[in-house]
Amino acid sequence: AQKVTQAQTEISVVEKEDVTLDCVYETRDTTYYLFWYKQPPSGELVFLIRRNSFDEQNEISGRYSWNFQKSTSSFNFTITASQVVDSAVYFCALSGVIKAAGNKLTFGGGTRVLVKP
Amino acid sequence: DAGVTQSPTHLIKTRGQQVTLRCSPKSGHDTVSWYQQALGQGPQFIFQYYEEEERQRGNFPDRFSGHQFPNYSSELNVNALLLGDSALYLCASSSGTGRNKQYFGPGTRLTVT
Repeated sequence: AQKVTQAQTEISVVEKEDVTLDCVYETRDTTYYLFWYKQPPSGELVFLIRRNSFDEQNEISGRYSWNFQKSTSSFNFTITASQVVDSAVYFCALSGVIKAAGNKLTFGGGTRVLVKP
Repeated sequence: DAGVTQSPTHLIKTRGQQVTLRCSPKSGHDTVSWYQQALGQGPQFIFQYYEEEERQRGNFPDRFSGHQFPNYSSELNVNALLLGDSALYLCASSSGTGRNKQYFGPGTRLTVT
């Protein structure tokens, strides 16, 4: 069975502060994918990143960066110099790899980020 | 390029009734997945359709059923609605070898009274 845990339910920061969201996962698969999605108040889940379990390189995209550590089963997400528009609920998700069909996403409970001006 | 669309946006039903939700995938996508998101929780996988067949199913009762049409659009049907079925229902589409990279629609907010 797959499981994703986001221990932080809500984080409140002041604009321009950095914020790090924790994600810990469990899976018996040797190959898997990890994701982060953003859910603004409108409700639509916005794809941020997908990481293959074989690729442990950290990634940076603008103010966003991700730290994947297979040894600790963690895939943490950092927003640098946060902005009010970053206020949303962020979800970490996990999927296996099944060639014959698509794969379900297993989501964590989400972390609500509130950025105050 | 149209993204994933869902209808209706909001829906209010009474316990025991039946409901049908609709989803049109992103252009070029052939796989549709459905998720249920209760308030304050992460989305939970319901099922996935590819080539008009249910390929995977989450831990949901048979009251939840679906269909995929030749144009890849999909419906989610829920029978004998319970109060606990109140949630945001999200549709996601994907395709090809990137089938696990799913693009989500805006969702349908279902309220059961």
